[in-house]
This record gives sequence, structure tokens and C-alpha cells, in this order.
Amino acid sequence: GENVEQHPSTLSVQEGDSAVIKCTYSDSASNYFPWYKQELGKGPQLIIDIRSNVGEKKDQRIAVTLNKTAKHFSLHITETQPEDSAVYFCAASKGFQKLVFGTGTRLLVSP
Amino acid sequence: EAGVVQSPRYKIIEKKQPVAFWCNPISGHNTLYWYRQNLGQGPELLIRYENEEAVDDSQLPKDRFSAERLKGVDSTLKIQPAELGDSAVYLCASSSTAFYGYTFGSGTRLTVV
Repeated sequence: GENVEQHPSTLSVQEGDSAVIKCTYSDSASNYFPWYKQELGKGPQLIIDIRSNVGEKKDQRIAVTLNKTAKHFSLHITETQPEDSAVYFCAASKGFQKLVFGTGTRLLVSP
Repeated sequence: EAGVVQSPRYKIIEKKQPVAFWCNPISGHNTLYWYRQNLGQGPELLIRYENEEAVDDSQLPKDRFSAERLKGVDSTLKIQPAELGDSAVYLCASSSTAFYGYTFGSGTRLTVV
């Protein structure tokens, strides 16, 4: 089955810096790659996603890139703010089948 | 629009006792998922429903876990009897056929003592 690896497990940046989180997946048939943000005591919240027919997608300060050949995808957050502090999860799936999540990255943005 | 609603938010039970979680998905979402999230880990799928039908329950420990989704709307997840290792956050999510993305509820944090 699908296996998703995520790095780093923790990431500390200064406010205004950029943050990059990387994930790799194992199943070449996976075609949907979302990113979720989870704040303490809350469920994961979808922040951006990308499908396999697209190489890059951007939404304001966040962007996701996908390299199908290498089977990896990355989340980029620019101009980080303290409210970006949370745990971020990448995931992969084949269509509507189950999402397989990475192990999460704890992002800490210091003022 | 109300999001995915789960209850209770927290539950503390003694081992060997039964427990049930309830989920109300977003109106019109025909797909419903139950995930379990252990501390410091990503969520893992327990069961996926398409309307009333469980189409993927391969990860559900069927000796003690059961789930139902009556009328293709609300869903309940039950554990009987609970074990210490069942302590986790149980997340419900829903999605529609028009959109791959899930919407998660806030989860139920279960502590088995």
C-alpha cells in the first residue's frame, strides 16, 4: 500500500522567513496530494492541495510543488507569521480512496 | 454552513468498558470517514462509507470496533470492550463526489484508564 514520509518532524523559523516541508510517496498511482494544518485540540484543516496533472499551485503565501517522477511534493510557506505555528500533515491518495498521511511537521514561528 | 460535528469532545473510560462516538457530516456529503490519530502521528483510516455502504473497513479491528451509518447521514463508531491502546483522537471527516478534499471534525479524544 501507499507509504508517505514527511520531513522535517520539527521546524523553527523566525517571523518573515520561509518554511519548506517535504514529503515522498511510494505509490505511483496516487494522484491527489493535500496538505492539512492542525492546531492544538482541533481537527486537520485543508490548506492547499494539488492533483497529479499539475506541477505547482499557489494560494497567497502558500504553495505546493509536485515532482511525479521523483514521487515527492513540498509545501512552501513564505513570509511566515506566528499564527502559522501548527502541525502540518501531507497526504496522498488515489482519487476518493483513503488518504494516507505523513507523520507531521511541527512548525514554530517565533516573533 | 456547519462543519463536521462530532460528540463528545472528550471521553475518559475504564478499560473493558464500551464507548461510542457520533458524527454528523456536512449536509450533502455522501462519503464519510473515521480516522484514528495517535499522539504525535498522522491520522489513519478506520473505515470509509459511501452513503450507507462501508466500502473500506480493512483497517477496522472488527473484534472490538463497529460502525454504522444509518440513512447515509450520521454515523456512530463503537468500541467494546475498550483497551488501553485505544487511547487516541477519533476523527470523522466527510467529502462530496465533486471535491476530493476532506473536511474533518474536531475529533473525540478518548482516554482509556
